[in-house]
Amino acid sequence: DTAVSQTPKYLVTQMGNDKSIKCEQNLGHDTMYWYKQDSKKFLKIMFSYNNKELIINETVPNRFSPKSPDKAHLNLHINSLELGDSAVYFCASSQGGGSNIQYFGAGTRLSVL
Amino acid sequence: SQQGEEDPQALSIQEGENATMNCSYKTSINNLQWYRQNSGRGLVHLILIRSNEREKHSGRLRVTLDTSKKSSSLLITASRAADTASYFCATPMNRDDKIIFGKGTRLHILP
Repeated sequence: DTAVSQTPKYLVTQMGNDKSIKCEQNLGHDTMYWYKQDSKKFLKIMFSYNNKELIINETVPNRFSPKSPDKAHLNLHINSLELGDSAVYFCASSQGGGSNIQYFGAGTRLSVL
Repeated sequence: SQQGEEDPQALSIQEGENATMNCSYKTSINNLQWYRQNSGRGLVHLILIRSNEREKHSGRLRVTLDTSKKSSSLLITASRAADTASYFCATPMNRDDKIIFGKGTRLHILP
């Protein structure tokens, strides 16, 4: 069983569309994250939820809205997609506490045309 | 903001040789982590070293930490083709379970 799974793996869409990426973890972790990795491989945190509560909200356009229906799921909805949103988006989870070791999904490659 | 910076940005070595990557960071940390990312995949945690440790081993991996110089190194011994990947160091912030990733070292093992 995949510990952190995200869907879809690839997403190709037109500018201006709205899209969602789903993430689920079966590790029983309390904390989940969304990261954006650009073409230069730089990985930047976007959001973090702990037990369905938003705890980290980096400087991200409000077109991006995370939603956590329960602590095992953290979805990312993006409105009015722009060319600059093209990237690989990773979901991750961690147990929290002192180590913060993160477990990543396989990523969603978003291409905005 | 606190961030690890890996050095070199890219490294190509022959299979069987040792590969060394370095990471520098800016502020005090409780621990430092190294991750590997294979092409087209998510990051995988390799090893965590705590601030009171100077060296840690895991299989062919050896990590050192020098808190006085705010630097860490990752050594992969007897490299294999499967070690070809990007390697990232990550340093936690002291709040909110947030960790900051460096820009990574792209390692290429030549056959």
